[in-house]
Amino acid sequence: QLQLQESGSGLVKPSQTLSLTCAVSGDSMSSGGYSWSWIRQPPGKGLEWIGYFYQSGSTFHNPSLKSRVNISVDRSKNQISLRLSSVTAADTAVYYCARVSNDSFDIWGRGTMVTVSS
Amino acid sequence: QSALTQPASVSGSPGQSITISCTGTSSDIGGDNYVSWYQQHPGEAPKLMIYFVSYRPSGVSNRFSGSKSGNTASLTISGLLAADEADYYCSSYTTSNTWVFGGGTKLTVL
Repeated sequence: QLQLQESGSGLVKPSQTLSLTCAVSGDSMSSGGYSWSWIRQPPGKGLEWIGYFYQSGSTFHNPSLKSRVNISVDRSKNQISLRLSSVTAADTAVYYCARVSNDSFDIWGRGTMVTVSS
Repeated sequence: QSALTQPASVSGSPGQSITISCTGTSSDIGGDNYVSWYQQHPGEAPKLMIYFVSYRPSGVSNRFSGSKSGNTASLTISGLLAADEADYYCSSYTTSNTWVFGGGTKLTVL
């Protein structure tokens, strides 16, 4: 069964770049032609879609994050990466990676908490 | 893009049915049938409950059902159980190749 596990820097200073990795296990990312997404949830608040890596290699992101988002996939390592630049306290959240299937998010990682603070 | 609109909270007694609404625009919910619903218990990751407006993933109880009319989607839970108490989020793929979530609805089982 496919599983996702996020990891990365838990504490990031304001104006720096947040970097996270999502490890895919239980199956190859290359099978099924799926797309992969990042979603976040600030403490006590709702879900916010960040962006996704489409199976063709294109990426799309939430317009509210402007051009701060970079999502990439390394199929040889079975992992998805997220980089979010120029972070502020508003970027403090639990970050989830998820598989996209049937235009929905069918498998989620457990999430990783990232705090932006000096 | 603006978040989809959900009621902040709903409640029901065990055995009853409740419905959670999710209102968007013609650019998201009304644009196609790409509406999904997620259940989230405290401290856990969200779980997909409904996709393509009304389809249930394998393993999801048939007590959960979805529908859509115009720019509004709905999630109905019948035969409420204590275990259904959770936060519920709707989501829609948009005409701009992005996704948008609702603000979430806290379901309380009385």
